[in-house]
Amino acid sequence: DAKTTQPPSMDCAEGRAANLPCNHSTISGNEYVYWYRQIHSQGPQYIIHGLKNNETNEMASLIITEDRKSSTLILPHATLRDTAVYYCIVRVATGNQFYFGTGTSLTVIP
Amino acid sequence: SAVISQKPSRDICQRGTSLTIQCQVDSQVTMMFWYRQQPGQSLTLIATANQGSEATYESGFVIDKFPISRPNLTFSTLTVSNMSPEDSSIYLCSVEGTTSGRTDTQYFGPGTRLTVL
Repeated sequence: DAKTTQPPSMDCAEGRAANLPCNHSTISGNEYVYWYRQIHSQGPQYIIHGLKNNETNEMASLIITEDRKSSTLILPHATLRDTAVYYCIVRVATGNQFYFGTGTSLTVIP
Repeated sequence: SAVISQKPSRDICQRGTSLTIQCQVDSQVTMMFWYRQQPGQSLTLIATANQGSEATYESGFVIDKFPISRPNLTFSTLTVSNMSPEDSSIYLCSVEGTTSGRTDTQYFGPGTRLTVL
């Protein structure tokens, strides 16, 4: 599976959009981009995933560049409860394990 | 999504002893996995629990240390054997291929926090 690179930490003001970048320059054509978050050592929580089109759900939006070498997770209106470590992972669609990197520690500031 | 429970939620154990962690899912799932998260670190996959056959272990993890069972499509156990303080971690169960959520992603249990003295 391809590797990902994320900044180790970011801050965001409460109520503002949080934009979390991820580089995956060696991604293969059949690999999806997944995002999870982990709040204070709880089990990771699935957020969103996509192949090449932008995706949106009730939690976030995922923007994938046209060359698929990078992506951005957008939390449109960050709250204090969004403070967590966010993991960007690339993987084929089903059945393979997820390889977690070090993630981005997002702190939402009041 | 699938509802996943783990027992115990936390435990403090003496070195040299063993602990069995249970993972129960509220619906049948295709795949079950066990991860370890050492203090301040990211998640590392231990093994894939295979129903009716031996688990598939990742490099650096062996069956004698981490025996795994998966007797059916909703339940699995991980045993941490002959524990040492280095085994102090959070152990997480995850599932994929559930009929109660997306079939192309994994859902994680709440974790078991293990401290070995």
